[in-house]
Amino acid sequence: SQQGEEDPQALSIQEGENATMNCSYKTSINNLQWYRQNSGRGLVHLILIRSNEREKHSGRLRVTLDTSKKSSSLLITASRAADTASYFCATDLRGADGLTFGKGTHLIIQP
Amino acid sequence: DSGVTQTPKHLITATGQRVTLRCSPRSGDLSVYWYQQSLDQGLQFLIQYYNGEERAKGNILERFSAQQFPDLHSELNLSSLELGDSALYFCASSVGPGRETYEQYFGPGTRLTVT
Repeated sequence: SQQGEEDPQALSIQEGENATMNCSYKTSINNLQWYRQNSGRGLVHLILIRSNEREKHSGRLRVTLDTSKKSSSLLITASRAADTASYFCATDLRGADGLTFGKGTHLIIQP
Repeated sequence: DSGVTQTPKHLITATGQRVTLRCSPRSGDLSVYWYQQSLDQGLQFLIQYYNGEERAKGNILERFSAQQFPDLHSELNLSSLELGDSALYFCASSVGPGRETYEQYFGPGTRLTVT
């Protein structure tokens, strides 16, 4: 079963707009990570937020974490066509070492 | 380029066969992870090795096995293949054993098609 569930499943926006994706999880976590995957290719690590952090920035990316609601959001500002990809949240469960991924949000940036 | 290499890129084989997927981690990384990505199951963690020893097991079938060699490369062996084993298989590596939090670097994957 999936630990993380992203929402929405798919998102289509115009270039220049902001994109927000959400992730919910079920059990306590050690950290939460966001990855990007271009069609059929390997995953690229975007950002990691630890369970004691609430917000983190990296370039045009902003991630928030609310452990009381067991949820996280990824905001991509000023979107570009190159941001078109699937975005996954992955949790590192306490007591486990492999990452548990959600099903992903497919983001399409229209020029 | 993540620095993680996987071979082969594509593999087409018949049901009942056995295949071996190979992964070389980034230089300096001691942990190797294997994941399976399929349309119906999504991305599933299979198994992790750290410095040659099995560290954690996920949703790995008994027909599948893996090992990590002294030079830290890893192999994932899939046997008695079934149509449902068709998927993308990713290898990832990280610095540590996982008790600390380390980001994982993913290889380009091996696409396995079982006919």
